[in-house]
Amino acid sequence: GQSLEQPSEVTAVEGAIVQINCTYQTSGFYGLSWYQQHDGGAPTFLSYNALDGLEETGRFSSFLSRSDSYGYLLLQELQMKDSASYFCAVRGPGDTGRRALTFGSGTRLQVQP
Amino acid sequence: GAVVSQHPSWVICKSGTSVKIECRSLDFQATTMFWYRQFPKQSLMLMATSNEGSKATYEQGVEKDKFLINHASLTLSTLTVTSAHPEDSSFYICSARDGTGVFEAFFGQGTRLTVV
Repeated sequence: GQSLEQPSEVTAVEGAIVQINCTYQTSGFYGLSWYQQHDGGAPTFLSYNALDGLEETGRFSSFLSRSDSYGYLLLQELQMKDSASYFCAVRGPGDTGRRALTFGSGTRLQVQP
Repeated sequence: GAVVSQHPSWVICKSGTSVKIECRSLDFQATTMFWYRQFPKQSLMLMATSNEGSKATYEQGVEKDKFLINHASLTLSTLTVTSAHPEDSSFYICSARDGTGVFEAFFGQGTRLTVV
């Protein structure tokens, strides 16, 4: 099976940088994804890492170390609208189209003025 | 990105009744869709994998007779919560991939079910 651990809450101020960590245990690894979910909304895709290293997408970056079964999401120049829950996720076994996502417990980010 | 539409966005029903939730892929065909359930301030938990033209695959602990899934076409999957009880109140979300983006999953808007 798969399991992922994340901190439950993080608080930061506008303009700051915050890092959300994720450690995972999987029987097979097919990449680590990150999703953002605002209260009452659906998750939206942020980033994906299949290989070690840093992926940058605007203010958001994601890092992966497969040897450490560890990744993080880095949010820069925080804005109030970034207040949301952030989930790391891994894909289950099976062929590509049938692999469901297993989500971490989620990290609630609160951005303060 | 691809669009997944879920309907209704919220529903209130009485205990003992059934509720149907629809999930449509609007601009792509999805042979596989996924149904998740999310309780307040918790993570998304996979309930079942919906396969077009065949039976759904349910996760351990999810009652297939209570949560009926039908995936009759390449663009529509439905989840019916039968004989709903207050403990079924939750946020139900469907997801699909368009087959081109290997890693990205697209989610419906979610359905907030309240059973009274």
